[in-house]
Amino acid sequence: GQQVQQSPSSLVLQEGENAELQCNFSSTATQLQWFYQSPGGSLVSLLSNPSGTKHTGRLTSTTVTKERRSSLHISSSQTTDSGTYLCATGYQNFYFGKGTSLTVIP
Amino acid sequence: EAAVTQSPRSKVAVTGGKVTLSCHQTNNHDYMYWYRQDTGHGLRLIHYSYVADSTEKGDIPDGYKASRPSQENFSLILELASLSQTAVYFCASSVSAETLYFGSGTRLTVL
Repeated sequence: GQQVQQSPSSLVLQEGENAELQCNFSSTATQLQWFYQSPGGSLVSLLSNPSGTKHTGRLTSTTVTKERRSSLHISSSQTTDSGTYLCATGYQNFYFGKGTSLTVIP
Repeated sequence: EAAVTQSPRSKVAVTGGKVTLSCHQTNNHDYMYWYRQDTGHGLRLIHYSYVADSTEKGDIPDGYKASRPSQENFSLILELASLSQTAVYFCASSVSAETLYFGSGTRLTVL
């Protein structure tokens, strides 16, 4: 099946700093999504971005399909951004990376 | 916002016992999924379904059965629960395999 690698595995930022999260996958797919998992465990979809650049709020995702990679940029980080960010890709099935654990300190 | 409800929220089961996890969605999504999450493995797909009365195997189906009796309901069945099935289980739904909407998860402990 699809292999999804996320980097870095963890990241610590001072509040206000920007974050850049990476996702690399082994084969092209029709879907690419970024999710946020809260410290309590709930999962929320942030962005669906199978190709190109997409913005929502402080989040920007850029996916280069032919290079099989996607990034998630978080600008002006806040303490409430702390949690785990997951990348998922696939077609019908979604394969998940192991995530980037983000900690934002005040 | 899509609503996906899982029950129970947590469960303790005995080894060899039968466990049924239930998932209900109210948004008429065609796709439904069952994932398990373990430390070090991330989210792994167990079973999924794109139409009622039909299920498909995911990456780790061994030891699990799935049932989709209607568009809204999708169950995960552990006929003989084992210690290795202790995990958090998430149900999700989507329209035509696009954006996934997750339930709150079920924490299963097998003793």
